[in-house]
Amino acid sequence: EAGVVQSPRYKIIEKKQPVAFWCNPISGHNTLYWYLQNLGQGPELLIRYENEEAVDDSQLPKDRFSAERLKGVDSTLKIQPAELGDSAVYLCASSDRAGANVLTFGAGSRLTVL
Amino acid sequence: TQLLEQSPQFLSIQEGENLTVYCNSSSVFSSLQWYRQEPGEGPVLLVTVVTGGEVKKLKRLTFQFGDARKDSSLHITAAQTGDTGLYLCAADNYGQNFVFGPGTRLSVLP
Repeated sequence: EAGVVQSPRYKIIEKKQPVAFWCNPISGHNTLYWYLQNLGQGPELLIRYENEEAVDDSQLPKDRFSAERLKGVDSTLKIQPAELGDSAVYLCASSDRAGANVLTFGAGSRLTVL
Repeated sequence: TQLLEQSPQFLSIQEGENLTVYCNSSSVFSSLQWYRQEPGEGPVLLVTVVTGGEVKKLKRLTFQFGDARKDSSLHITAAQTGDTGLYLCAADNYGQNFVFGPGTRLSVLP
């Protein structure tokens, strides 16, 4: 079974440009998370979805960040416009909350803003 | 805001040595998980502990959840170079969210 798939793995852009990241969770996992991870730090939650509903987006900087999970499966995280401080790894994770609440992570999308 | 603290922040040891890393909080959590993350990859779950005082073993790794469910430790016996990575603890806040600690970066030298 395929794990959590993220793309692109790496992205380099200039500041003020837009960028989008895509995540396909494990089949059947209703809960999807986007985390931001700065170098040498732990992941910080940006947004959590239960199916297509964003149930926790309190940490998402809504002036420049947006996310969607239209059909309750895959999800897109967008930044527009990107700032230098947005350089980080963006991790997607999914879980099956019907069982033990375990997060399965994708490999992440590393963003560098120049 | 619930915060998790991890110590030490960095640890460099020789292969064959033993080590313990810690995860602490002032809050009580429903469960706590340990993940290991290698460069360029996402975190991978090692273990989940649920009951206060619980001890779980995974080969050379021993995990303990504090009696009050506020802290946890990870002990590695006879470390190997393959144990190198970032060890993250994550607390499940009764199904509301996961809170991650800042991690302990372990380097095991040959």
